[in-house]
Order: sequence, then C-alpha cells, then structure tokens
Amino acid sequence: NAGVTQTPKFRVLKTGQSMTLLCAQDMNHEYMYWYRQDPGMGLRLIHYSVGEGTTAKGEVPDGYNVSRLKKQNFLLGLESAAPSQTSVYFCASNMATRDTGELFFGEGSRLTVL
Amino acid sequence: GNSVTQMEGPVTLSEEAFLTINCTYTATGYPSLFWYVQYPGEGLQLLLKATKADDKGSNKGFEATYRKETTSFHLEKGSVQVSDSAVYFCALSGGNKLVFGAGTILRVKS
Repeated sequence: NAGVTQTPKFRVLKTGQSMTLLCAQDMNHEYMYWYRQDPGMGLRLIHYSVGEGTTAKGEVPDGYNVSRLKKQNFLLGLESAAPSQTSVYFCASNMATRDTGELFFGEGSRLTVL
Repeated sequence: GNSVTQMEGPVTLSEEAFLTINCTYTATGYPSLFWYVQYPGEGLQLLLKATKADDKGSNKGFEATYRKETTSFHLEKGSVQVSDSAVYFCALSGGNKLVFGAGTILRVKS
C-alpha cells in the first residue's frame, strides 16, 4: 500500500542546475499539492492541481514549475536552482479539501542547493 | 486572507504532564480546522479535525474544540508520552487548499 511516493528523497544541486521532483499517488486522488517546509515557517504551498491537466499557483510559486499530465503523477521542476530553494519538499494528495481536508503526505524530499 | 497562528516552541514536558498547544485562526466563511502531526523523518499525518463550530475532534488521547467566538482550536492531551514527541501543525481549509501554521515542536522527557 504505497500511498504517496516521492523521488528522489535527497538531492544536492549547484546553483543554476535544474531538476525535477516526482510525486506519485495510487489512491486515485483528484487533488495534488507541492509544499516546502522551512524552519519556523511551517508548510508553504508552491503549486497545486485539482485534476489531470490542471495546475494553479500557491503561496510561493516563483522559481518552480509543475505538470500534471497523468492523474497519478505531479511533477515539480526547478529550472535554475538557487540557494533559497534549499528546503524539504512535500507532496500531498486528497479527494477534495471541501469534503474531508485530509491530506496524505509523502515522506519528503530534502534538496540542498550550493 | 486565511491564516493560522500557533504558539512558538519548542514545548518541553515531562512524561504524564498536561499538554496545551494554542492555535488561533483568521478566515472568511466557516472553514474546517485540523491538527496534523509530523514524527521525525516522516511526512505529516492527520491527527484530528473539526468541521463546524463547537465540534470536538479527538484521536489518540488528543482533543481540540472548534471555538468560533474566540477563533481558536487549541490542542490538548491529559497525559503525554515520550512517543508524542513530534511537530504539531494547526491548519484550516480554504478553497481547494489547506493553510498551515508554523508548527510547534513538542519534546517529552522520560
């Protein structure tokens, strides 16, 4: 019973490099989210998707892009990484926040930008 | 816009002590309220929730009551255990997404 799976779990980048974080869920959830977690700031929403082929900006979208080509996958891309993007990234999914608000989270991806 | 404010931590308690973590919110309309818990090295998981005023959410000995008049949703537990050591997040639902507080670190000593 995988739930929400994130890859990779750890990555070190140099400033200016690009990378993609992959989130996969096997619960047939419509909604998917990318958050970043920084000390003292809780979780901040980067981008989210309310269904296949849709994406929307969250609270801190600058420097990130996303795609939801398949319902089960939600990709987060960094085109030109900056040290300010050093963080722990969490993917989450659910059926609908209006009904339950219960998000299912992955285990996180720790990214360090040098 | 919607926001959540939690008491700053870390909170350090001895085993079997009483726990309160304060949470207040600002929101338009009538959001649902949640407490999430994050154990070391893991993602967040839902601890409890309340969907309307005066509802009490409870789970694993933790409780929180949705107080509309004070816009609060404080987390309480009568007797904490070492295994409760974690980061606790208060959150509210708004539109298609949740808004989280900054989190409160709880450390329980044996």
